[in-house]
Amino acid sequence: GENVEQHPSTLSVQEGDSAVIKCTYSDSASNYFPWYKQELGKRPQLIIDIRSNVGEKKDQRIAVTLNKTAKHFSLHITETQPEDSAVYFCAASPASGNTGKLIFGQGTTLQVKP
Amino acid sequence: NAGVTQTPKFQVLKTGQSMTLQCAQDMNHEYMSWYRQDPGMGLRLIHYSVGAGITDQGEVPNGYNVSRSTTEDFPLRLLSAAPSQTSVYFCASSSLAGTYNEQFFGPGTRLTVL
Repeated sequence: GENVEQHPSTLSVQEGDSAVIKCTYSDSASNYFPWYKQELGKRPQLIIDIRSNVGEKKDQRIAVTLNKTAKHFSLHITETQPEDSAVYFCAASPASGNTGKLIFGQGTTLQVKP
Repeated sequence: NAGVTQTPKFQVLKTGQSMTLQCAQDMNHEYMSWYRQDPGMGLRLIHYSVGAGITDQGEVPNGYNVSRSTTEDFPLRLLSAAPSQTSVYFCASSSLAGTYNEQFFGPGTRLTVL
C-alpha cells in the first residue's frame, strides 16, 4: 500500500529564516498532495495542496514543490514567524482520481524562535 | 454549518470496556474517515467510507468497527478497549465531487484506556 515518509521530525529555526519539510511517497499513481498544519490542541487544517500536473504552487509565504519522477514533494515556508510554530503533515492520495483517501506522513514539529 | 463534530471530547475507559465515538458532518460529504494520532506516528487511517452502506479498512483497522447508515454519521466502535488504543481520534470528511477536495477534520476525541 501507499507509504509516506516525512522528514525531519522536528525543526527549529530563528524567526525570519526559511523552513523546508520533505516527504516521499511510494505509489506512483498518487496525484494529490496536501499539507496540513496542526496547532497545539487543535485539529489539522489544510494550508496548501498540489496536484500532479503542477510542479510548484505558492501562497504568500508558503510554497510546495513536487517531483513526480523522484516521488517526493516539499513544503517551503519563508520569513518564518512565531505563529508558524505547529506540527505539519504531508499526505498523498494513494490512487489516481478523487477517492477521498489520504495517507499521511509522520509529521514535523516546527518551532520558530523569536 | 457546524462542519465536522465529534463526541465526546475526552473519555477514560478500563481495559475490556466498549464504547462508540460519534462523528457527524453537515456538509453532505460522501467521504468520511477515522484517524488515530500518536506521537511520532502521524495520522493513521483506521476506517473510511465513500457513502452510506459502504465502509473499508485503512492502515490500522484491528480492534475497531464502523458503520455508515446515513450520509451524516460515521461512528467508530471499540468492542474491547486495550491500552494500545490510547490515542487522539480524529474524524474527517470530504466531498468526492470533482477532482480532489479539502478534507475537513473534527475537533478530536482524546481517549485513555487504563
